[in-house]
Amino acid sequence: QVQLLQSGAEVKEPGASVKVSCKASGYSGRNYGISWVRLAPRQGLEWMGWSSAFNGNTRYAQKFEGRLSLTTDTATATTYMELRGLRSDDTAVYFCARDPGYTPQGWFDPWGQGSLVTVSS
Amino acid sequence: QSVLTQPPSASGTPGQRVTISCSGSSSNIGNNHVYWYQQLPGTAPKLLISRNTQRPSGVPDRFSGSKSGTSASLAISGLRSEDEADYYCATYDDSLSGPVFGGGTKLTVL
Repeated sequence: QVQLLQSGAEVKEPGASVKVSCKASGYSGRNYGISWVRLAPRQGLEWMGWSSAFNGNTRYAQKFEGRLSLTTDTATATTYMELRGLRSDDTAVYFCARDPGYTPQGWFDPWGQGSLVTVSS
Repeated sequence: QSVLTQPPSASGTPGQRVTISCSGSSSNIGNNHVYWYQQLPGTAPKLLISRNTQRPSGVPDRFSGSKSGTSASLAISGLRSEDEADYYCATYDDSLSGPVFGGGTKLTVL
């Protein structure tokens, strides 16, 4: 079965960048994408962006345009999420999740275990 | 504010049936499938309902989804203490060109 394994927790200063990885296993096809969703303290889930495992196409939520980069290493089935210009309100748990098909749909299954990113001086 | 509207809280006693609503518009729920997620404390969200009404393998049939027009609902029957969690609806929004979530509903089993 498909599993997503994320990198560990990070602590960053305001203004810095963070890069979180998400490695997929248990699936040989490439007809899916990886979405990134975050959960900030006392907030709800928020979709950030999507990267296609098929052709590397990306789509970003308007809120994160210019600050977010999603890249995919097809050789290792690993997707990377880089968020730049970190602010304190970027403190959150960041999840990757598989979204089947060639465009994002909101059909997230399975999810990675989550990576806590703390932004603090 | 979330694009999809959910009640912030819901509650019920063991054995009861509870429903959680999710309200949207013609650019999201009205034109796309709805998905429901359960997030237990300290864990990653889990897919509960896909494509409005479908239960993935392993999800108990106590959970059911429905959709009508620009609204959707999640029903949980035979409520159990382990159902205490946050529940989120999600769908694709044609205007925003991406998935959107509801604000989440915290379910308490009394």
